[in-house]
Amino acid sequence: GAGVSQSPRYKVTKRGQDVALRCDPISGHVSLYWYRQALGQGPEFLTYFNYEAQQDKSGLPNDRFSAERPEGSISTLTIQRTEQRDSAMYRCASSLAKDSFYEQFFGPGTRLTVL
Amino acid sequence: DAKTTQPNSMESNEEEPVHLPCNHSTISGTDYIHWYRQLPSQGPEYVIHGLTSNVNNRMASLAIAEDRKSSTLILHRATLRDAAVYYCSFRDQGGKLIFGQGTELSVKP
Repeated sequence: GAGVSQSPRYKVTKRGQDVALRCDPISGHVSLYWYRQALGQGPEFLTYFNYEAQQDKSGLPNDRFSAERPEGSISTLTIQRTEQRDSAMYRCASSLAKDSFYEQFFGPGTRLTVL
Repeated sequence: DAKTTQPNSMESNEEEPVHLPCNHSTISGTDYIHWYRQLPSQGPEYVIHGLTSNVNNRMASLAIAEDRKSSTLILHRATLRDAAVYYCSFRDQGGKLIFGQGTELSVKP
């Protein structure tokens, strides 16, 4: 079956612009997670959802970052007024069981570059 | 702060066992220990998880110290396809999943 997909795969934007990153989880997966990964480092947790409910957003760096999953499937991570320090790989993952931080299936990521 | 400590890199010969250590001294009693690996240009891939007892699956084994402050991922017979960055991780008391810096494993034929 299809895995987790993310779009766009690459996004180049100018400082100050808003960007929306999309994640399409594996069908039927209850939990959806967002991470940010800098080059050469491990993933940094941002937020996660069970169905459409955002469970934890403590990892979001500041109020320019937000995420939603309105119908419990596709999720969007939005970064407003982007800054150069926002440049990173943004990864989405999903898991079948609720709150299952193990057995997460990761997508290919969106490489965001802010000029 | 909750964190994990892993060696930056390790080398192994093909067909030999590999022991990848991780220290997670701040883990609470109820947190699972997770291991993921990441191949070049790919997203992380789940390997194994455990709580207190040693665990085995088709990919690897996980040995957990009695005090749970460290664990070791064991690849019984390394193959060239096992070359990757291996991350240990756990949920901190706030529920956030913490990933270590990872160990880059290289496997020599």
